Amino acid sequence: GQNIDQPTEMTATEGAIVQINCTYQTSGFNGLFWYQQHAGEAPTFLSYNVLDGLEEKGRFSSFLSRSKGYSYLLLKELQMKDSASYLCAVSPPGYSSASKIIFGSGTRLSIRP
Amino acid sequence: GAGVSQSPSNKVTEKGKDVELRCDPISGHTALYWYRQRLGQGLEFLIYFQGNSAPDKSGLPSDRFSAERTGESVSTLTIQRTQQEDSAVYLCASRRDGTYEQYFGPGTRLTVT
Repeated sequence: GQNIDQPTEMTATEGAIVQINCTYQTSGFNGLFWYQQHAGEAPTFLSYNVLDGLEEKGRFSSFLSRSKGYSYLLLKELQMKDSASYLCAVSPPGYSSASKIIFGSGTRLSIRP
Repeated sequence: GAGVSQSPSNKVTEKGKDVELRCDPISGHTALYWYRQRLGQGLEFLIYFQGNSAPDKSGLPSDRFSAERTGESVSTLTIQRTQQEDSAVYLCASRRDGTYEQYFGPGTRLTVT
């Protein structure tokens, strides 16, 4: 099965950089996702990594190391609107095109002025 | 274009009653997912449809939960004999074949009294 761990809460300052870590243990692996969820809203897709390395998309970057079962989401130039929960999710083996994903419990990020 | 829609947005029901939740996916999206999110927690996978068939029902918590999908579009999640622990937000998501991003609806907040 999948065991996904990420910190429950983090706090950071507007304008700064924050890194949210995610570790996973799975018998196989078919990709890792990050989703953003503002309070009371539906999750929205941020990134998908299937190969090792860093993928950058504007202020957000996502890193994956498959050998270590580790990923992080890096948020730069933090803005107040970045206050949200960040959900790490793993696609288990046997599901092509990451057709099924299992979510971690999420990290609630609070940005202070 | 239109996103994923869900109805009702809120449902309050008495313990023991049956409820039916509806999801309208994005047109052309063959994959459809149901998740449950309890207050302050992550997303719990319930069931996944590919077209009208459900290759993975492993997340349904008990035989009180069932789901169907017709015409490769609308899906309904039925909870029979509701219990207080069923209180949660039920999220639906859809995905286009060959892609990996899931698009989420706004959810149905179910409260069992």
